[in-house]
Amino acid sequence: KQEVTQIPAALSVPEGENLVLNCSFTDSAIYNLQWFRQDPGKGLTSLLLIQSSQREQTSGRLNASLDKSSGRSTLYIAASQPGDSATYLCAVNPNTGGFKTIFGAGTRLFVKA
Amino acid sequence: DTAVSQTPKYLVTQMGNDKSIKCEQNLGHDTMYWYKQDSKKFLKIMFSYNNKELIINETVPNRFSPKSPDKAHLNLHINSLELGDSAVYFCASSQALAEQFFGPGTRLTVL
Repeated sequence: KQEVTQIPAALSVPEGENLVLNCSFTDSAIYNLQWFRQDPGKGLTSLLLIQSSQREQTSGRLNASLDKSSGRSTLYIAASQPGDSATYLCAVNPNTGGFKTIFGAGTRLFVKA
Repeated sequence: DTAVSQTPKYLVTQMGNDKSIKCEQNLGHDTMYWYKQDSKKFLKIMFSYNNKELIINETVPNRFSPKSPDKAHLNLHINSLELGDSAVYFCASSQALAEQFFGPGTRLTVL
């Protein structure tokens, strides 16, 4: 059974710092992995989607990597800003029995001005 | 234009009532989802609909029933509401297994 874990559960950093959020999954048979952010009381905003055949994706200050064989993904945020404060969630779509997205519990990020 | 919309945003009701939450997407996607986010903020998939056919029903009580009148809509009907149904419900859509886009959520409170 696929399980998705995110570490750390919470993180507080000063503005300007580069940081890494971690996501691990127990079954490497995934179709893709997606990173989201969720602001308090809001829906989820898609950040990056990595296909199982890809190693990384970049969007602005965000870079997501995928090591499928070891069951890990990281989200790198460069030069963090207070506006980056949110909960970051990763989700995997398994290869088989599709449309069964599994989410991690998220990492709550606070960037101090 | 909102890509994925849900109504209502808030829903407060008594135990035992029946209620519905509506979802619409204007992205032309062929797959829609319902998720439940509990008080600990954990997000769990409830249903997936691909081309109007139910794909997954994840151990959800049969008091919950998704209904899709067309590819752009996926409504969630809940019968005999219980206290434990209180949560935020999110609708989402995607084109097959591609990037998912989420609605703003419906906060359901059962008294």
